[in-house]
Amino acid sequence: DARVTQTPRHKVTEMGQEVTMRCQPILGHNTVFWYRQTMMQGLELLAYFRNRAPLDDSGMPKDRFSAEMPDATLATLKIQPSEPRDSAVYFCASGLTGQGRNTEAFFGQGTRLTVV
Amino acid sequence: GEDVEQSLFLSVREGDSSVINCTYTDSSSTYLYWYKQEPGAGLQLLTYIFSNMDMKQDQRLTVLLNKKDKHLSLRIADTQTGDSAIYFCAESIGGTSYGKLTFGQGTILTVHP
Repeated sequence: DARVTQTPRHKVTEMGQEVTMRCQPILGHNTVFWYRQTMMQGLELLAYFRNRAPLDDSGMPKDRFSAEMPDATLATLKIQPSEPRDSAVYFCASGLTGQGRNTEAFFGQGTRLTVV
Repeated sequence: GEDVEQSLFLSVREGDSSVINCTYTDSSSTYLYWYKQEPGAGLQLLTYIFSNMDMKQDQRLTVLLNKKDKHLSLRIADTQTGDSAIYFCAESIGGTSYGKLTFGQGTILTVHP
């Protein structure tokens, strides 16, 4: 049963601490997305990668957020230092994309982050 | 640039049809999608339509696309209480940003018995 796995599912941390969220994409998928969901802003694209290369991270606050894919089975999203306004649900999704091809993105269950 | 807009709320009675609407701005959209999100879960793809089509039907779901007006709708026939969820429309575009998915803010569908 192929699925996108995100860890941790829940994280509560104090302001100023570093937070690392992990995502295991579906094997064989070449594209990974990171989204943030809040009541006020809805679903925002933070970054996306194709073949492990970052293509667009314009939605990500560069001073504190970083996204990487150290290998094809792991994507990470790091916040350092964390702030209360970062509290949200962070979703990872993976898919197989190609020019002119439909992007069917499969979502993980999300990491619910609370910064106090 | 990409911008996808949806109405925020829709309430229907069980058994009625639901119609969720979406507008988008990027004329280079290649595919348009409808996703469903249930409480505490990630998004699940319901259906999609290629931009050169104007209609697609899949069981209780009908997608209509008006490319001239950049308007997309999702009709759910015989709506059930289990259809209560948040529905997102999304677009992907071609060119060098192909594959990138941009979502609307979601429509909360509430189905009353």
